[in-house]
Order: sequence, then C-alpha cells, then structure tokens
Amino acid sequence: QVQLQESGPGLVKPSETLSLTCTVSSYSISSGYYWSWIRQPPGKGLEWIGNINHSGTTYNNPSLKSRVTMSVDTSKNQFSLKLRSMTAADTAVYYCARELHPAAAEDYWGQGTLVTVSS
Amino acid sequence: QSVLTQPPSVSAAPGQKVTISCSGSSSNIGNNYVSWYQQLPGTAPKLLIFENHKRPSGIPDRFSGSKSGTSGTLGITGLQTGDEADYYCATWDSSLTAMVFGGGTKLTVL
Repeated sequence: QVQLQESGPGLVKPSETLSLTCTVSSYSISSGYYWSWIRQPPGKGLEWIGNINHSGTTYNNPSLKSRVTMSVDTSKNQFSLKLRSMTAADTAVYYCARELHPAAAEDYWGQGTLVTVSS
Repeated sequence: QSVLTQPPSVSAAPGQKVTISCSGSSSNIGNNYVSWYQQLPGTAPKLLIFENHKRPSGIPDRFSGSKSGTSGTLGITGLQTGDEADYYCATWDSSLTAMVFGGGTKLTVL
C-alpha cells in the first residue's frame, strides 16, 4: 500500500516562504508517476498547485507559478514544495498525492497538513 | 471561479440514484480524461473514477462515470447515508497545462 506523509510547519508568517516535504513509502518515486501538491482553504474546494516527476519535470498552476518551486529527492524518496510570499489567502490544508499524468488521477493521498499564515 | 462547473449541491433518498455533472470545454474535458473524487468530512479526497469510467480497486460498482463531449457525469446508485460527502471532478487542461478541479458538489442523502 503506497503511503504519503506531508511534513512542515503549521504556522508561517506573512511574506515568508512555506516549505513542505512529502515522504513516500512502499513505492519508489523513481519507478514512475508524477507527484503532486493540492491545497484546500478552509471550507473551500480543491486547488491543484503542481506536480513533478522523478527526473524533475514539473507542471504548475499558472495562478501560482511565479511563487512555486518543486523538487524531488529520489535518494530519500521525497518530493518538496516551496511557496514564496505567503499571505493569509494561502492558509489551507496542503495535500501531497501520487498522480497518473496527464489523466489527472491522484490515486494515493497524504492525510494533509494545515498551514496557517499569520503573524 | 472554477474552470469546471459542477452543481453546488444534489440530494436524493437512500436507495435512490443520483448524478453529478461536470461541465468544461474543448481545452479540458473535451480532449482529456475526467476523474472523480469523494471527500468525506475531515478526510483527504479519495479517487472514485479515473479515465472517464474506470474504478480503482476497492471502489464499488455503485459508482460509475461517463463522458460526452465537454461534460462528465458521476452516477451513484443505491445511495447510502455514508455516501454523504463532497464530490469533485477533475481533468487536465491542455491550454493551461495544468490539472483543474470543479468547484465541488455536496451530496445529501435525505
């Protein structure tokens, strides 16, 4: 059973950079698929942030592209997200997931981590 | 404003059937696969349907998906109270080169 686990700070100050890592278990990132980040503001819908594959190819949501950096570390079986210039509007539950690309099918998800932007 | 349009809510009685629509355009649904997700309160979304109509292992055949033109449809038969959840459609948008979600539909089983 593939498992994903997000890790990172639960609280970020405005204008700072959010750094999140997703650790994948029971499946090697190098074996294929894309690896994605999705977020959900409290009480709102899902928003796809972007994805990355084992070779570092990325696709990003145009609305966030200028603030997003994604990376992958196959030796640790992890992938990461950095989101710059955080504001209150970025407060959300952030999920990592495995994605069948470009079928837009996220078949395994992490439990999600709530990130609050506040001073 | 979501790229994909879903009804905000649908409802039906236990045992009945419900359908949820997802409307897009030629740059997304019209030329790409549709997937559907179920999100129970306080939990991560779960993949119900991928590649328009396929079900992942473990998803009961009460859940079905179809696509026609620029619209996708999720069908749920034999409704149970445990099906009360938010449902999201998603697809790839070739113009945006990004995955897009619908705004979500809240299912109430009366």
